[in-house]
Amino acid sequence: AQKVTQAQTEISVVEKEDVTLDCVYETRDTTYYLFWYKQPPSGELVFLIRRNSFDEQNEISGRYSWNFQKSTSSFNFTITASQVVDSAVYFCALSEGILTGGGNKLTFGTGTQLKVEL
Amino acid sequence: DTGVSQNPRHKITKRGQNVTFRCDPISEHNRLYWYRQTLGQGPEFLTYFQNEAQLEKSRLLSDRFSAERPKGSFSTLEIQRTEQGDSAMYLCASRSNELAGGEETQYFGPGTRLLVL
Repeated sequence: AQKVTQAQTEISVVEKEDVTLDCVYETRDTTYYLFWYKQPPSGELVFLIRRNSFDEQNEISGRYSWNFQKSTSSFNFTITASQVVDSAVYFCALSEGILTGGGNKLTFGTGTQLKVEL
Repeated sequence: DTGVSQNPRHKITKRGQNVTFRCDPISEHNRLYWYRQTLGQGPEFLTYFQNEAQLEKSRLLSDRFSAERPKGSFSTLEIQRTEQGDSAMYLCASRSNELAGGEETQYFGPGTRLLVL
């Protein structure tokens, strides 16, 4: 069965600190996608990044960077120089069944609440 | 605004009543998904449609739940005889046509918060 684990329930940092959110996944699929979504207090899930299982290149987008390591089944997310606006719940998700007709439904972790304080 | 929209945004109902939620996906997205999110948890898959066909239902979707997408555009999710355990955020997402080389990302709507008293 597919599983996503986000062991950090809540993280508090002071503005301008760097912070890393951990994500570990389990799957028997050889082809899959990994995602990060941001959920601010308003509730809407905002897409941040998608990675496919064949591409282990790290990615940087502004203050955000992602480290995908298949060997450890991890897909970690780092925010550099955090800001108060980064405060939200962040979800890691796994897309399953791409080649086996699973409909690409997402399996989510339980989320990490990030609080950035002044 | 061309994103996914959901109505209503909030719904308060009494136990035993029926409720219906609507989701309008991004135009021309052929896949539409419903998820449920309870407090402190990640969203959980309920069901999905490819065009008007409902292709998969989670075991979370009890007999009291029914979803439709009659014309392959908007979708409705109905809960009959609501129970307090149905209180949650109901999220809708859509994605583009994979056969046309569409991307695999699901884009979410703002959700409908249901409170059953």
